Amino acid sequence: AQTVTQSQPEMSVQEAETVTLSCTYDTSENNYYLFWYKQPPSRQMILVIRQEAYKQQNATENRFSVNFQKAAKSFSLKISDSQLGDTAMYFCAFMKHATGNQFYFGTGTSLTVIP
Amino acid sequence: DVKVTQSSRYLVKRTGEKVFLECVQDMDHENMFWYRQDPGLGLRLIYFSYDVKMKEKGDIPEGYSVSREKKERFSLILESASTNQTSMYLCASSLPGSTGELFFGEGSRLTVL
Repeated sequence: AQTVTQSQPEMSVQEAETVTLSCTYDTSENNYYLFWYKQPPSRQMILVIRQEAYKQQNATENRFSVNFQKAAKSFSLKISDSQLGDTAMYFCAFMKHATGNQFYFGTGTSLTVIP
Repeated sequence: DVKVTQSSRYLVKRTGEKVFLECVQDMDHENMFWYRQDPGLGLRLIYFSYDVKMKEKGDIPEGYSVSREKKERFSLILESASTNQTSMYLCASSLPGSTGELFFGEGSRLTVL
């Protein structure tokens, strides 16, 4: 079975600063995908960034980047130049390769950006 | 843009009532999902469907059933609501075998009194 662990229930960061959210996972699979999803207050969950396990290069999307350590089964999210709109719940998720239907989510990290 | 629409944002029901939560997606996605979101527990899969009239149990199917009569619509049914089913319910859809991005609805917050 796959498990996804987010050990930081709550975090805060000053506006314009950088913050890193942690995620570890456990799997015996070799091919899989990892995701970070963002859920703003009272709004729908959206995809922030995606990483294919077979790619060594860390994914980046504008101010969002990941540090993917496959051997350590670690997948952290770095948010640079934090903005007030980054205040949200962030979920780390794992999907078995190409199944399209077997997702495993962490318990989430509530991030508050302080003005 | 993909749109996943959940029929009710907020519902209040009484114990024992039958509850229907409706979800519609407009991108012709084969896969549809119902998750339950509770603080400290993350998202837990209740049921998913990979085709019309097909359904698979997730991690916590007890007390729930689903219906998928049309590709775009996936309904979650609570036959007899109980207070421990008070929660946020999230519907999502995706394409099969893809890189797997899930598209979520805005959620339905159900309170059972």
